[in-house]
Amino acid sequence: DAGITQSPRHKVTETGTPVTLRCHQTENHRYMYWYRQDPGHGLRLIHYSYGVKDTDKGEVSDGYSVSRSKTEDFLLTLESATSSQTSVYFCARSRGAPDSYEQYFGPGTRLTVT
Amino acid sequence: ELKVEQNPLFLSMQEGKNYTIYCNYSTTSDRLYWYRQDPGKSLESLFVLLSNGAVKQEGRLMASLDTKARLSTLHITAAVHDLSATYFCAVDIRGTYKYIFGTGTRLKVLA
Repeated sequence: DAGITQSPRHKVTETGTPVTLRCHQTENHRYMYWYRQDPGHGLRLIHYSYGVKDTDKGEVSDGYSVSRSKTEDFLLTLESATSSQTSVYFCARSRGAPDSYEQYFGPGTRLTVT
Repeated sequence: ELKVEQNPLFLSMQEGKNYTIYCNYSTTSDRLYWYRQDPGKSLESLFVLLSNGAVKQEGRLMASLDTKARLSTLHITAAVHDLSATYFCAVDIRGTYKYIFGTGTRLKVLA
């Protein structure tokens, strides 16, 4: 892996249920991100974190919340899943140092909301 | 509105041919990124372009950045089947650590 893992890799859930996706990195990078990927939209930023307990919204944050209690873990929660949240979710890490803005992506989680 | 536009969205080309993918962006940014994604897989970093005029090459791929025109190009030389994938460009918004991705260019190289 690219020093970043996601769990679960696949999940099917029912409308209205809460869902939490986990992202775990082993590189001690400061920045972590959650994206969703849908056909015709590329990747869209949901939320990102710039440090422990420090998070900010992306362009499609409605219906999602995040938490980061440790450098290595970044959780994405769908409070009450809807069918429109069926997607592939990617997390990413980035050192964010002046000379390193590159993002490294996890393997993705395919979420289906029925 | 902050936008990153790629064209073409789909590209089917013969092996051995050359082609260019274009990435235009609307936000002020000095840094641009190219990624490759194979079907059902994650994104893999190809190039990081950090300043105006930056040019990077890896094998049959060459990327360049013109920050004044807000344009990056990914040039493919003598395409081979193994280059078949979806290619994304992305920029980060100046002053933040937020990134905006293009919708991707799906490349198919025909033998």
